[in-house]
Amino acid sequence: GENVEQHPSTLSVQEGDSAVIKCTYSDSASNYFPWYKQELGKRPQLIIDIRSNVGEKKDQRIAVTLNKTAKHFSLHITETQPEDSAVYFCAANDAGGTSYGKLTFGQGTILTVHP
Amino acid sequence: NAGVTQTPKFQVLKTGQSMTLQCAQDMNHNSMYWYRQDPGMGLRLIYYSASEGTTDKGEVPNGYNVSRLNKREFSLRLESAAPSQTSVYFCASRVESSYNSPLHFGNGTRLTVT
Repeated sequence: GENVEQHPSTLSVQEGDSAVIKCTYSDSASNYFPWYKQELGKRPQLIIDIRSNVGEKKDQRIAVTLNKTAKHFSLHITETQPEDSAVYFCAANDAGGTSYGKLTFGQGTILTVHP
Repeated sequence: NAGVTQTPKFQVLKTGQSMTLQCAQDMNHNSMYWYRQDPGMGLRLIYYSASEGTTDKGEVPNGYNVSRLNKREFSLRLESAAPSQTSVYFCASRVESSYNSPLHFGNGTRLTVT
């Protein structure tokens, strides 16, 4: 099955700086890569996703890049704000066999933005 | 439109007790999932149901059973709770397992087994 590795596990930045979180995946057939944000005590919520037919996607201060050859994708947050502080999870789907459609998650990154 | 609703929000069990976690979605989604979340380990899939009438094991199914009662409801049962099952449990749904659509999560159930 799919294996997703996420780094770093913790990330501390100053307000206004950029933050980058990286993930690698093992299944070359995976074709869908969402990112979720989870605030303390709340449910994970989708912030951006990318499909394998594109290399980059942006939504205001958030962008995701995908390198299919290297099997890694990254989340970029620019002009960070204290409200960006949360746990961020990457995920990749299983694209074949009996596990078709399952999402496998990375271990999470705790992002802290200091005012 | 409530989305994905989980009950209860909190539960404390003694080792060996049983309980059922309930999940319902009102988005007419075909696929439903149960994940557990433990510190430093992300979200791990317990069981999923790609469509009404089907269920499959995920990454960590031991000690759990599921029932897809109808299209809306997907329950998770712990027959004999163990301290290792202390976790936060999330139910999620998506339009279709074979379609690259996002998961929608419920608010979670925080379970403690003593």
